[in-house]
Amino acid sequence: QQQVKQSPQSLIVQKGGISIINCAYENTAFDYFPWYQQFPGKGPALLIAIRPDVSEKKEGRFTISFNKSAKQFSLHIMDSQPGDSATYFCAASRRSSYKLIFGSGTRLLVRP
Amino acid sequence: EAEVAQSPRYKITEKSQAVAFWCDPISGHATLYWYRQILGQGPELLVQFQDESVVDDSQLPKDRFSAERLKGVDSTLKIQPAELGDSAMYLCASSSPSGGNEQYFGPGTRLTVT
Repeated sequence: QQQVKQSPQSLIVQKGGISIINCAYENTAFDYFPWYQQFPGKGPALLIAIRPDVSEKKEGRFTISFNKSAKQFSLHIMDSQPGDSATYFCAASRRSSYKLIFGSGTRLLVRP
Repeated sequence: EAEVAQSPRYKITEKSQAVAFWCDPISGHATLYWYRQILGQGPELLVQFQDESVVDDSQLPKDRFSAERLKGVDSTLKIQPAELGDSAMYLCASSSPSGGNEQYFGPGTRLTVT
């Protein structure tokens, strides 16, 4: 059972554009939703995270939008740069266990 | 900046051999996680430690995998015997309640079983 569904699988954006990646979850007990960035051959790096008591969180060019009723959350990368080209993973966990359930990943390519 | 350390970074082993991976979490992080990431997929939790105790090993193939964290600091993940399907990236992460339980990952060990 895939508890976190991520789309699209791949995304191509022009430099300066907005990259949008979406995730949907099934388990209403999830209460922590992070996004990770992973470059080839490296471990995932925590980008930004949100808890369900807020609908949006912004850190620099990265914004998470959260819709609790729809059980969906998304990552927006503003002014996308070639250096943002990487694979992005959404994840979810419950406060009681902290076990992260990851989405399948989105490979982002930002063209110069 | 504190980081999770893992070694080796790369390991090539033959089918049926034993292999071991080591992880040193960020200092003070009581919770340690081992994940497996198959190429093109998201990481999946294998085992979670709270100090030296296992709190979740439901996805660990216990017939061939074992993990320990004897002193509640560094940890070792072992596979014996290795199978072709074990080829993957093995990631270690750690977290702390004082840090909101945000998980920080190490660079991983890329295992290739031939």
